[in-house]
Amino acid sequence: KAGVTQTPRYLIKTRGQQVTLSCSPISGHRSVSWYQQTPGQGLQFLFEYFSETQRNKGNFPGRFSGRQFSNSRSEMNVSTLELGDSALYLCASSLVGQPLAKNIQYFGAGTRLSVL
Amino acid sequence: GENVEQHPSTLSVQEGDSAVIKCTYSDSASNYFPWYKQELGKGPQLIIDIRSNVGEKKDQRIAVTLNKTAKHFSLHITETQPEDSAVYFCAASLWGKLQFGAGTQVVVTP
Repeated sequence: KAGVTQTPRYLIKTRGQQVTLSCSPISGHRSVSWYQQTPGQGLQFLFEYFSETQRNKGNFPGRFSGRQFSNSRSEMNVSTLELGDSALYLCASSLVGQPLAKNIQYFGAGTRLSVL
Repeated sequence: GENVEQHPSTLSVQEGDSAVIKCTYSDSASNYFPWYKQELGKGPQLIIDIRSNVGEKKDQRIAVTLNKTAKHFSLHITETQPEDSAVYFCAASLWGKLQFGAGTQVVVTP
């Protein structure tokens, strides 16, 4: 079974631009979560989507948004990029999209975004 | 919200020795505690997890213990090998949202 696939793996953008990252979850997984990883702040939760609906949201500005499609694939968009948005963006999928303890999240390899 | 603290930030061990990483969490409602291993250039990989109704879980050389009263949990790696070198993250889950610790860089020297 294929794992979580994130594209592209690397991205270079300039300040003010916008970017869209893509995540394909493990087949059958309906919940997709996004995390930002930086050396200074560590791994921080961005948001979670289940059945095309955002169910959980972290403490990030409105420039960060996402969506989920009917096939559970998800995209994350960052508008008006800032230098501080440079990070590894990780996507994780889980089998059951309910707020239960038994959800196990499987991570993709991430998209490395560099903002110049 | 949930806050997870992880110690130490770096850990150097001789091959064959044991490694212990400790985490504390703040919200007593958290009920799921996974541990992830992240190697350079890769995403975090789940290595073991424990739920709030269990005190200890073991999988070969890896074990995790949970003390709900004290709100802390620990990862134990025995007979460490060079391939155990990586960054390890603990996390606590509240309503499906993972709150991660800051990570521990483990270096296993031959």
